[in-house]
Amino acid sequence: QVQLQESGPGLVKPSETLSLTCTVSGGSMSSYYWSWIRQPPGKGLEWIGDIYYSGSTDYNPSLKSRVTISVDTSKNQFSLKLSSVTAADTAVYYCARMLYRTSPDYWGQGTLVTVSS
Amino acid sequence: QSALTQPASVSGSPGQSITISCTGTSSDVGGYDYVSWYQQHPGKAPKLMIYDVTNRPSGVSHRFSGSKSGNTASLTISGLQAEDEADYYCSSYTGTSTLVFGGGTKLTVL
Repeated sequence: QVQLQESGPGLVKPSETLSLTCTVSGGSMSSYYWSWIRQPPGKGLEWIGDIYYSGSTDYNPSLKSRVTISVDTSKNQFSLKLSSVTAADTAVYYCARMLYRTSPDYWGQGTLVTVSS
Repeated sequence: QSALTQPASVSGSPGQSITISCTGTSSDVGGYDYVSWYQQHPGKAPKLMIYDVTNRPSGVSHRFSGSKSGNTASLTISGLQAEDEADYYCSSYTGTSTLVFGGGTKLTVL
């Protein structure tokens, strides 16, 4: 059974960079796409971007200028960096495995990141 | 990319059937058979219920079914049960290799 776990700071200051890591257990990262998805409090889901195990990426156009997703298959981890954060970036951040690249089928439990000084 | 359009809320009584719609464009819902549906209970991560318009992952009840016509996809839940009360989201893969979600629908079981 594949399991995903997000980790990283729960509080980030405005204008700084949000950094999260997702650790994958119970399965290989090979041949899958891996996504970051976020959900502001009380609001809907927003896809941030994804990465193939080989390292190719795609990003949400609205966030592309601020997002970097990377992968380290030797550690079974992939990571998210979101720069120049504002209060609007406060959200629960989920990492997920993509089924056939089109559908997140395994999700982490989510981690709340608050942007505040 | 714009979010897909879902009704804010739907409701039904136990045993009834309900349908939630998800409307997009020819660049997402209408152009590809890559619509998915998720169930999210409060404080929990979303759960994949339907993928590729009509397919159910292993373990998902047969009471959940999906369909699509043109730019609109639908999720139908039959034999409504109390535990079905949750938020439901649709998503679609797009022609620019991105994923777009709907705004979410709150299902209330009366």
